[in-house]
This record gives sequence, C-alpha cells and structure tokens, in this order.
Amino acid sequence: NAGVMQNPRHLVRRRGQEARLRCSPMKGHSHVYWYRQLPEEGLKFMVYLQKENIIDESGMPKERFSAEFPKEGPSILRIQQVVRGDSAAYFCASSQQGPNSPLHFGNGTRLTVT
Amino acid sequence: GQQVMQIPQYQHVQEGEDFTTYCNSSTTLSNIQWYKQRPGGHPVFLIQLVKSGEVKKQKRLTFQFGEAKKNSSLHITATQTTDVGTYFCAAIYGGATNKLIFGTGTLLAVQP
Repeated sequence: NAGVMQNPRHLVRRRGQEARLRCSPMKGHSHVYWYRQLPEEGLKFMVYLQKENIIDESGMPKERFSAEFPKEGPSILRIQQVVRGDSAAYFCASSQQGPNSPLHFGNGTRLTVT
Repeated sequence: GQQVMQIPQYQHVQEGEDFTTYCNSSTTLSNIQWYKQRPGGHPVFLIQLVKSGEVKKQKRLTFQFGEAKKNSSLHITATQTTDVGTYFCAAIYGGATNKLIFGTGTLLAVQP
C-alpha cells in the first residue's frame, strides 16, 4: 500500500526558472495539502485541494504560485520565476476525510534556487 | 491570525529523563493532532484528541487535551535516543476553517 509519493526529492532551479512539484496521494485519499518548511522552522500551510477543486489557498502567495489536483494524475504545485527565497522543503500530505482526519505526508521535495 | 504556540522551542535531555511539550491556542480548538518529524524526515501522525480533558497513551507517550480545548500537552517518560525529533501539534479551529495549522514545534535532543 504505497504512501504519499512526491517527486522529485531534490530540485535545483536557477532564479527565474519554473519549478513543478508533484504529489500522488495515498490510494483512496481525495484530500491533498501542500506545506512549506524552511530550515529549522515549522510547517506553513499553503493550499488544500480536493479533486479538481481548490478548497483553501489562503497560505499561498498570490503571485507565481499555483496548485492543481486534476481528475486524473497527481497534484502539482507550480512555482514560476523562482527566487532564492523560494528555497525550502515542500511537503505534500493527503487524508481520507478532510483535515479532521490524520494527514499522511510524503517525503517532501527540497527545492534549491541558485 | 490563527496561531498555535508551542513551548519550549528546544529541549535537551539526558536519556532516561522525562520530556514535556505544551501547545496553546487563544481560541477553542475542535480537535488537536500531534506529529513527529525526525531530522531530515517528514512529519508522521501520532495521535488525535477530540474530547475536552481527553488523555491518551501510547507506550511512553501521554497526550492530554485541556478541559477548555485551548491547550494540549505531550509527555514522554524516560526518553530514549529514538525519541529525537521535532514534535508538532496541529489544529483546526472551530468554524469553517479548512486547514490544519501546525504549531511552532519543539525540537527534542536526547543525549545518551
């Protein structure tokens, strides 16, 4: 029973490039969350999605960041025109019944912007 | 904004000593979850508390939810080196909020 799969594990981008982070939730989970973590810091909520719908994106910067969870395929977190401040670990999590049920996290994508 | 404060930020103990981390909110919580993140790893769900005054145990770990549902604690008895990591509480606030907010975390270091 595969857990939450995130890829790539590590991503290096130069300033101005685009970063695409992928997340496949656990089987049977239709709720997906993205969190960002800076070194030595906590987890900051970015966005909560269900299939084809964004439920809450209040934690996501208005510019350059977007997320989707299409009917088929993984959830994608897209960061356009990356800047050095975007360097962080991005964790995806999924749950079966919304945020009142346990979140299962992927291994994360460590984004480095040079 | 919604905030879940945890104290302490960091705790260094000798193996065998006890450890407690506290989670506090200014508003009433519908439930609270606890997660552990090992260094370099990802958060792993430990437990969820729902009822006022609830106490749950997992081996050496004891979790409590306050009577007013505004605070929670995690207590580890006789720490071991395998307990090393950051412990986060996380909460959904009462109402229509659709996101799980994580606390600031407590980093536990255990010296053998």
